[in-house]
Amino acid sequence: ETGVTQSPTHLIKTRGQQVTLRCSSQSGHNTVSWYQQALGQGPQFIFQYYREEENGRGNFPPRFSGLQFPNYSSELNVNALELDDSALYLCASSWDSLYGYTFGSGTRLTVV
Amino acid sequence: KQEVTQIPAALSVPEGENLVLNCSFTDSAIYNLQWFRQDPGKGLTSLLLIQSSQREQTSGRLNASLDKSSGRSTLYIAASQPGDSATYLCAVNSQGAQKLVFGQGTRLTINP
Repeated sequence: ETGVTQSPTHLIKTRGQQVTLRCSSQSGHNTVSWYQQALGQGPQFIFQYYREEENGRGNFPPRFSGLQFPNYSSELNVNALELDDSALYLCASSWDSLYGYTFGSGTRLTVV
Repeated sequence: KQEVTQIPAALSVPEGENLVLNCSFTDSAIYNLQWFRQDPGKGLTSLLLIQSSQREQTSGRLNASLDKSSGRSTLYIAASQPGDSATYLCAVNSQGAQKLVFGQGTRLTINP
């Protein structure tokens, strides 16, 4: 098992810019989810992809979008960055949610 | 709408003590519940996964219980060590929800 890897680990962006965060899921995991975690809070669900199709979305605006690729990698894109988008972004993958999720180490995004 | 609450928000105990962390959820229609550990600024490490049909799971010094009818789970840590210091998060996978709903976590400090 290779686990879940995320890149980059940290980045700083300016308000109004666009950002792409990347995730490489554990091999064989067809489901990938993205979460946003503000400081001192629990993670909040952004969206989930299953076999390259979005199959669940949380209460986030359309400027948060994603892609999942056949090689178990995925992306989270955020347009028109706002200061409140500053957070730790976590990627999680699963073969089947009944068997739990494996999380990556996260990407710390700071918007200035 | 599933809501997850963790009490207390923070806990500080001397090394060697046994302790219990609490998690409550509002909707008992769940697939499973997962306990995670999070070190400062890091990703989530899965500790235990309890299916809705199970009453408890054990891993080393950790024991998690689930009472679905009352909407409660507990994480029991035996013989606590300074290395156990971290934030502990519980997450519920609800039926038909395609996502995890997290509590806000309990920040645990074990004092040598």
